[in-house]
Amino acid sequence: DVKVTQSSRYLVKRTGEKVFLECVQDMDHENMFWYRQDPGLGLRLIYFSYDVKMKEKGDIPEGYSVSREKKERFSLILESASTNQTSMYLCASSPVGGGTEAFFGQGTRLTVV
Amino acid sequence: EDQVTQSPEALRLQEGESSSLNCSYTVSGLRGLFWYRQDPGKGPEFLFTLYSAGEEKEKERLKATLTKKESFLHITAPKPEDSATYLCAVRGGSNYKLTFGKGTLLTVNP
Repeated sequence: DVKVTQSSRYLVKRTGEKVFLECVQDMDHENMFWYRQDPGLGLRLIYFSYDVKMKEKGDIPEGYSVSREKKERFSLILESASTNQTSMYLCASSPVGGGTEAFFGQGTRLTVV
Repeated sequence: EDQVTQSPEALRLQEGESSSLNCSYTVSGLRGLFWYRQDPGKGPEFLFTLYSAGEEKEKERLKATLTKKESFLHITAPKPEDSATYLCAVRGGSNYKLTFGKGTLLTVNP
């Protein structure tokens, strides 16, 4: 079974802190994604990566950056956390190919106070 | 820009009462349409991929179908454990990303 593991289920951080969310996948997938999910807005893509050290902005990249130094690991960085970044963050991975499904981690519920 | 609209937003069924969820989409060059199930506080769980109009996939009480403009998730004789949010997503020809609908919250009462 494909496994996508996010480092934390729940996080509470203070406004202005730098926050790291880590994601690891064990299926040698080329593509990795970070989404956020908010009530009424659904899943929105923040960033994705199609190879090591390669990244592209999604629909809502402002206030976020990413790092992919190894194929299995994709990190989301909140440079200076704000209360409007309180959300459920979901990491996903998929093999290369447009018709391939993405597999999700269990999610990280981030609260910024 | 790819778009996905799911209806209804919420659906309440009695155990054993069959129904269907709808996913309407617009995409340039469909590479795949995906159905996911999401339980509260958890990540989406993959159910099906459909590639072309006329295709059908089944898993237990669930059956997904695809036309050129929409997909249906048919639920036959649902049980309370089928209660979840069901998400539909598409990937278009020139994109890596999945575009999601907002989901249908299904509640099955015993």
